[in-house]
Amino acid sequence: AQTVTQSQPEMSVQEAETVTLSCTYDTSESDYYLFWYKQPPSRQMILVIRQEAYKQQNATENRFSVNFQKAAKSFSLKISDSQLGDAAMYFCASQRANTGTASKLTFGTGTRLQVTL
Amino acid sequence: KAGVTQTPRYLIKTRGQQVTLSCSPISGHRSVSWYQQTPGQGLQFLFEYFSETQRNKGNFPGRFSGRQFSNSRSEMNVSTLELGDSALYLCASSKSGNTEAFFGQGTRLTVV
Repeated sequence: AQTVTQSQPEMSVQEAETVTLSCTYDTSESDYYLFWYKQPPSRQMILVIRQEAYKQQNATENRFSVNFQKAAKSFSLKISDSQLGDAAMYFCASQRANTGTASKLTFGTGTRLQVTL
Repeated sequence: KAGVTQTPRYLIKTRGQQVTLSCSPISGHRSVSWYQQTPGQGLQFLFEYFSETQRNKGNFPGRFSGRQFSNSRSEMNVSTLELGDSALYLCASSKSGNTEAFFGQGTRLTVV
């Protein structure tokens, strides 16, 4: 079984500043994916960034980057130059990488990010 | 390209009734997964369908069921509704189940 833990229920950042959201996970799988999803007030889950566990290089997507520490089972999200539109609930999630078969997403409890002027 | 469409967006039902929620995946996507989101339990996986077959099921009672049609559209059904079934139900589609999942905007179910 996979578990995902987000220990920060809420975070706040000023516009244009940088913020880091924490996530730890536990899995017995040798190959898996890790994700950060954003859920704004519209409720639609939007994929922010995806990391393949076998890749050592940290994923980056514009202002969003991750710090993937495989041995520590840590997967934090860094948001640079924060914008008002970044305000949302952020969920960390894991998924077994098992080509051709179903694999559910296991979510953390989420971190609510506030962006202030 | 149209996204994942869930209908209805909002629903109010009475305890004991049953409800059917619908999800139309992105064109070409054959996998549809359903999740329940509540403040207390967070996001929990319900089940996943691929090519009309249920491939994976979460830890929910038998009152929760689903199906998928030949056009990949999926429905989930909850029978004998309980107050605790009040939640946001999210549907996600992907090409194969292990590729990127795209979510719909959800159906907010309120049981009174």
